[in-house]
Amino acid sequence: GQSLEQPSEVTAVEGAIVQINCTYQTSGFYGLSWYQQHDGGAPTFLSYNALDGLEETGRFSSFLSRSDSYGYLLLQELQMKDSASYFCAVERAAGNKLTFGGGTRVLVKP
Amino acid sequence: GAGVSQTPSNKVTEKGKYVELRCDPISGHTALYWYRQSLGQGPEFLIYFQGTGAADDSGLPNDRFFAVRPEGSVSTLKIQRTERGDSAVYLCASSSGTGSDNEQFFGPGTRLTVL
Repeated sequence: GQSLEQPSEVTAVEGAIVQINCTYQTSGFYGLSWYQQHDGGAPTFLSYNALDGLEETGRFSSFLSRSDSYGYLLLQELQMKDSASYFCAVERAAGNKLTFGGGTRVLVKP
Repeated sequence: GAGVSQTPSNKVTEKGKYVELRCDPISGHTALYWYRQSLGQGPEFLIYFQGTGAADDSGLPNDRFFAVRPEGSVSTLKIQRTERGDSAVYLCASSSGTGSDNEQFFGPGTRLTVL
């Protein structure tokens, strides 16, 4: 079967840095995506890694190691509005469906 | 509008009834995906269309679930003989299929409640 493991919950204060790890076991791997979802909202795309290394997009960065079947999302300079659930998702074939992890709920405190 | 839209936003039905959920993707997006999300879990893949055809329907749980996209734009997810276990948020997403990152744009979802 397919499995993606990520921590269920993380709590941090404003201005802090949070790293959300994701390990995956899937048949087929093309790329790893990260999505953010606020309560009651739609998932929104944050980043994508197809190759090993770090991708930086503003305060958010994402890392991938294909040999370790591992990636992480780094949230820097945390703001209250970053309180949300974050999902890693594997794209198993180009342009195809995403297989999502269970999500990490991030709570940012003042 | 510019985004993915889904109707209805909420649907309450009785066990055994038939429901249809509609998705309007972003104009020009050739790929359309349906997912189902239960409370506290990640979205679960149901079916993927490339144009009018279902490229992958391996996530449909059983033959009570069916989806169409007759003109390669709007899609309808159809559930027959609904069961209480079908209660979830049904999400639709679309993508251009040409980007290097397969960014999928999600709609707000339809919350289905089967009583």
